[in-house]
Formats: sequence, structure tokens, C-alpha cells
Amino acid sequence: QTVVTQEPSFSVSPGGTVTLTCGLTSGSISTGYYPSWYQQTPGQAPRTLIYNTNTRSSGVPDRFSGSILGNKAALTITGAQADDESDYYCVLYMGSGIWVFGGGTKLTVL
Amino acid sequence: QVQLVESGGGVVQPGRSLRLSCAASGFTFSSYAMHWVRQAPGKGLEWVAVISYDGNKKYYADSMKGRFTISRDKSKNTLYLQMNSLRAEDTAVYYCAKEGYNYDIDYWGQGTLVTVSS
Repeated sequence: QTVVTQEPSFSVSPGGTVTLTCGLTSGSISTGYYPSWYQQTPGQAPRTLIYNTNTRSSGVPDRFSGSILGNKAALTITGAQADDESDYYCVLYMGSGIWVFGGGTKLTVL
Repeated sequence: QVQLVESGGGVVQPGRSLRLSCAASGFTFSSYAMHWVRQAPGKGLEWVAVISYDGNKKYYADSMKGRFTISRDKSKNTLYLQMNSLRAEDTAVYYCAKEGYNYDIDYWGQGTLVTVSS
């Protein structure tokens, strides 16, 4: 069974740049998986950041960007701010009506 | 604006059933696929199921297949999740979510908590 992988945790300094990745235990991610990214703070519903690999959702600042890097999907935050400290999840469309979330990355800004 | 409001959560004994509802407004409900996503306490998001815009196609995560049923009522703009044979590991916040145009989720409800406990 293919598992979607994410870094469990990451740390970035205020103003810094960080790239979170989303991979597969077997195979490479392409745009055909329609990777999307979601931000969640404790006690809140997720918020959509990026869809279709690199399209920002309405109202999302342009310091959030999505891409394919090598064999993974990636979320890059440029100029990290304190309120970017959140959990970040990717989800992939696996085909045949099935979606799979990654385990999430807890981002610390300090 | 798009609103998704879940209801029906609560405490239920193992082996019993529960039906969740999600009232949708602010968009043409019958034009979009809809999802359920859950999150166990302290854990990550887990995709549960999706139903097509017309209700004709339904897909489930393997761990939910056979126990959970997703459905929708276009006359009531409401999404449902019927959960049977509930287990302790089904304890989670269940989110209703609207699918966008690119195999993505663009709007989320606030979630409803289901606790399976004797």
C-alpha cells in the first residue's frame, strides 16, 4: 500500500524560507496527482492554501507557493511569519476516486 | 459565501450507529462533489469518502468501506455520513468539505466530534 510521506516537523526562522515536501513510499509525484496543501492551527478547521500543484487559493499570500521538486510535491513559504506556525498537510488524488492525505508537518517559527 | 455546517456528532457506544449531516449553502450544491474527512484526537487528517455531484458515484477509504455510507439530498442541500458498527478508533472530528475544480478541497466545515466509548 502506497503511503504519502511528509516531514513530521520542521523549523524556520522568522523571515526565512522553508520548503515542505510530500512524497510517496513507492513512485514519484507528478501533476497528475493534483497535489494540494492545507494549513491547520490547533482547534481550527483546515484552510486551503494550494491546489492543482501550484495554484494559490483565494486570499492566500503569494509567499506561499507550490511546485514539483524532483519526485515530490513541495510547499515553499518565503519570508516566514510567526502566524505561519501551523500543521501543514498535503493530499494526493490517487485516481479511481481515492484521495490520500500525508501525515502532516508541524512547522515551528522561531 | 460558502457555508458548511456539520451536525449529528456525539458519544456513541461501540458497535452502534450514527448519522452525520452537513448543511451546505452559498453555492450550487448539486454541482459539486462533496467529501468527508476526519481527524482523530492529536492525529492528522484522514480522507473518509467522496460522493459525486449527482450522487451516482461514491468512493471510500479502505478502512471505512462496508461500514460507512456517504449520501446527499439535493432538495435539502445536505450531505450525510451513515456510520455503522462504530469502533473506538472511529473517534474523531469529522469534517464536511466541498470539492473544487481540480481534485482539491476548497471549503471546509468546522467539524463535528464523534466519540465512540462505552
